[in-house]
Amino acid sequence: QSVLTQPPSVSGAPGQRVTISCTGSRSNIETVYDVHWYQQLPGTAPKLLIYSNKNRPSGVPDRFSGSKSGASASLTITGLQAEDEADYYCQSFDKSLSSWVFGGGTKLTVL
Amino acid sequence: EVQLVEFGGGLVQPGGSLRLSCAASGFTFSTFAMSWVRQAPGKGLEWVSAISATADNTWYADSVRGRFTISRDDSKSTLYLHMNSLRVEDTAVYFCAKEHLINVTPLVDTWGQGTLVTVSS
Repeated sequence: QSVLTQPPSVSGAPGQRVTISCTGSRSNIETVYDVHWYQQLPGTAPKLLIYSNKNRPSGVPDRFSGSKSGASASLTITGLQAEDEADYYCQSFDKSLSSWVFGGGTKLTVL
Repeated sequence: EVQLVEFGGGLVQPGGSLRLSCAASGFTFSTFAMSWVRQAPGKGLEWVSAISATADNTWYADSVRGRFTISRDDSKSTLYLHMNSLRVEDTAVYFCAKEHLINVTPLVDTWGQGTLVTVSS
């Protein structure tokens, strides 16, 4: 059971928009702590996709966007492409656990 | 180019020990906090341990505290994870991770390729 809750899977057709949620609590997301998102393509290491809720590292397409409100955060992918098929993880910090926390991951399938 | 390369994974029996190494290059290793993150087969990511840039602070997940020890050798730009009393549930790919701190929330800005640790009799 992960501290941050994500849907196990989402899907969408090429060109469509999908949103992945990440729900936490007052001990993590709903405090001073930001949410970061990682993309893990099959068989590879994760890669930083969004940092501090809504910022994209250099090289990440602007099809990827993030937001945070209250105890939840979201990752939105617009103009879905076949190469977006991957696992996506949210991550924050939990003050009660004094520990990094990850969501359980969401598998995105491009139909 | 920033690069992290892990070594030392393998097959070990329950109760055994193993030491993982992570060779860093392309950045000033001594100025960054570092972490280990693991991923059990078919499962999600789990943060394991972190060490501050000056090595005077270390942190551990509850699942490994008292069994694992993180350390660093800045002269060799190398991060270590000493794993003792290994359990079947420690079986995972272990990723070396370069940390960055933004708005009091740490993140991984560079990942190694991972090394597989299998605990089995």
